[in-house]
Amino acid sequence: GQQVMQIPQYQHVQEGEDFTTYCNSSTTLSNIQWYKQRPGGHPVFLIQLVKSGEVKKQKRLTFQFGEAKKNSSLHITATQTTDVGTYFCAGPGSNTGKLIFGQGTTLQVKP
Amino acid sequence: NAGVTQTPKFRVLKTGQSMTLLCAQDMNHEYMYWYRQDPGMGLRLIHYSVGEGTTAKGEVPDGYNVSRLKKQNFLLGLESAAPSQTSVYFCASLSSGINEQFFGPGTRLTVL
Repeated sequence: GQQVMQIPQYQHVQEGEDFTTYCNSSTTLSNIQWYKQRPGGHPVFLIQLVKSGEVKKQKRLTFQFGEAKKNSSLHITATQTTDVGTYFCAGPGSNTGKLIFGQGTTLQVKP
Repeated sequence: NAGVTQTPKFRVLKTGQSMTLLCAQDMNHEYMYWYRQDPGMGLRLIHYSVGEGTTAKGEVPDGYNVSRLKKQNFLLGLESAAPSQTSVYFCASLSSGINEQFFGPGTRLTVL
């Protein structure tokens, strides 16, 4: 079945270092979404990418959608302790309304 | 607007007991979802609904049942709880016009 894989599973960085998480789908996606879940919280929508090769920025966060629309990445520049949490990518499933989530990348930032 | 709410927030069950988790949304969203989250497993879809009166199976439906009698409510039932169902359960809703899923605060369930 359709799979969405994320790497790495965990990442520890020193505050100020950069961070990147990668997302790969087994199938071509019409769009990809990114969510952030703070420790003890619930996932919150960050962004959606739709176009092949699309790049979007939100302050220190840069999101990319691959040319083949099968992979995506999230890059955080100069991490801060507020960036701590788990970042999920998600792509549409084969049936209408379904969303397939990656396993998530948990980011820890040492002050 | 309260968004997506879930009750209860916490629950401890004994093996074999039954319970129902309630999800409510006040955004008039057509789609609603139930996920479970386990360490290292991400969010796994249990069941979902694309409209009032309709439900469909997700990735891990066994041991769970759902009902969507009203558009704003989506119920998740465990008929005979098992320790393997210990997890955090999240409900989410989605408007058909926008792809953003809105999540509830979660229910932490422990089955002893």
